[in-house]
Amino acid sequence: SQQGEEDPQALSIQEGENATMNCSYKTSINNLQWYRQNSGRGLVHLILIRSNEREKHSGRLRVTLDTSKKSSSLLITASRAADTASYFCATAVSGNTGKLIFGQGTTLQVKP
Amino acid sequence: GAGVSQSPSNKVTEKGKDVELRCDPISGHTALYWYRQSLGQGLEFLIYFQGNSAPDKSGLPSDRFSAERTGGSVSTLTIQRTQQEDSAVYLCASSTLGRQGTQYFGPGTRLLVL
Repeated sequence: SQQGEEDPQALSIQEGENATMNCSYKTSINNLQWYRQNSGRGLVHLILIRSNEREKHSGRLRVTLDTSKKSSSLLITASRAADTASYFCATAVSGNTGKLIFGQGTTLQVKP
Repeated sequence: GAGVSQSPSNKVTEKGKDVELRCDPISGHTALYWYRQSLGQGLEFLIYFQGNSAPDKSGLPSDRFSAERTGGSVSTLTIQRTQQEDSAVYLCASSTLGRQGTQYFGPGTRLLVL
């Protein structure tokens, strides 16, 4: 079963606005990763945050992790139409062989 | 450098037939994963290979599904006696370190079972 739950399921914003997506999970993790998917095909890795980190930045992306609440958020600042895609969080569960458990994803639409 | 490649890109088959899906991971990546994604859904883990260790098959939905990884590189996912509910995009990923590594995904194989 999928452990990640993402919120919202769909998000529509205007270009230039910020987009925030949230992810909750249930078990202890080694790390949490965010991926992006265009057109239902291959996923592209965006950012990885380890369980001992609280915040990480990469360009216009900011990820936070709260292990006490078992939640993470992805913020995309100054969104562009090209950011339109589905975004998935994935957790690498502690003690596991390394497989990732993916959430159901948030579909982001950025209107020009 | 080449990324993860998968073949075929699309596969249409009739119910009851067997299909084989191929994945070529990034050279040097020791971990290889198979996932399944149904329309509009998240990714469902199927199987994981790490080096010479026994694969983690815990995600395979039935005994009709099997996978091999030959020579620690190329992997084949086989679905026997396909059913319509097997229709999905099958994604392969590889990484350098199973527990810590970023996974690099292939473009997927879109399977349609009629």
